[in-house]
Amino acid sequence: QKEVEQNSGPLSVPEGAIASLNCTYSDRGSQSFFWYRQYSGKSPELIMFIYSNGDKEDGRFTAQLNKASQYVSLLIRDSQPSDSATYLCAVAGGYQKVTFGIGTKLQVIP
Amino acid sequence: KAGVTQTPRYLIKTRGQQVTLSCSPISGHRSVSWYQQTPGQGLQFLFEYFSETQRNKGNFPGRFSGRQFSNSRSEMNVSTLELGDSALYLCASSSPRTGGKTTEAFFGQGTRLTVV
Repeated sequence: QKEVEQNSGPLSVPEGAIASLNCTYSDRGSQSFFWYRQYSGKSPELIMFIYSNGDKEDGRFTAQLNKASQYVSLLIRDSQPSDSATYLCAVAGGYQKVTFGIGTKLQVIP
Repeated sequence: KAGVTQTPRYLIKTRGQQVTLSCSPISGHRSVSWYQQTPGQGLQFLFEYFSETQRNKGNFPGRFSGRQFSNSRSEMNVSTLELGDSALYLCASSSPRTGGKTTEAFFGQGTRLTVV
């Protein structure tokens, strides 16, 4: 079993819709959770991080964490074609050892 | 503030050779991590250095090694290259907070290594 699981997609949503990206992890001791966006041919860039159970909102993005269910999600409201990219879920314990999921490819259809 | 700089951007090497990749972190960042990215495996953690000490290591063979200098710059070395080492190698720098909780990482543009 992979430590961080994501559906590789592609996930297709129409422009203006809500895109929901999901991630599960196996290590119950994980403390830090991140979402990165990676455009084709580019390096990953941080979208959000979350440490505590619940929701964290930043503009059109909301990260949700449920440690009991070992589940992290990212919601993108009012999806735009420029949001089309691969979204990487990353999970870490302490001291910067980060495990990434395979990434979910998101396609926003104009 | 300058971002993370990796050199070179592209490399072509022959099987059996060795290669050294370089990473300059964001100024003030003392943690440098290295990752290998391939289409099939995604991003895989190689190792992390903080204040010239390797704190964490992923599941890669001993052919993969690294080091960090006193100015936080880091190098990664791969010896006896194999075809399967062809990948994008990414370096990321972080500024850890007290208490050891992992903080967000900022990635360089990567070095694309092709082994022929």
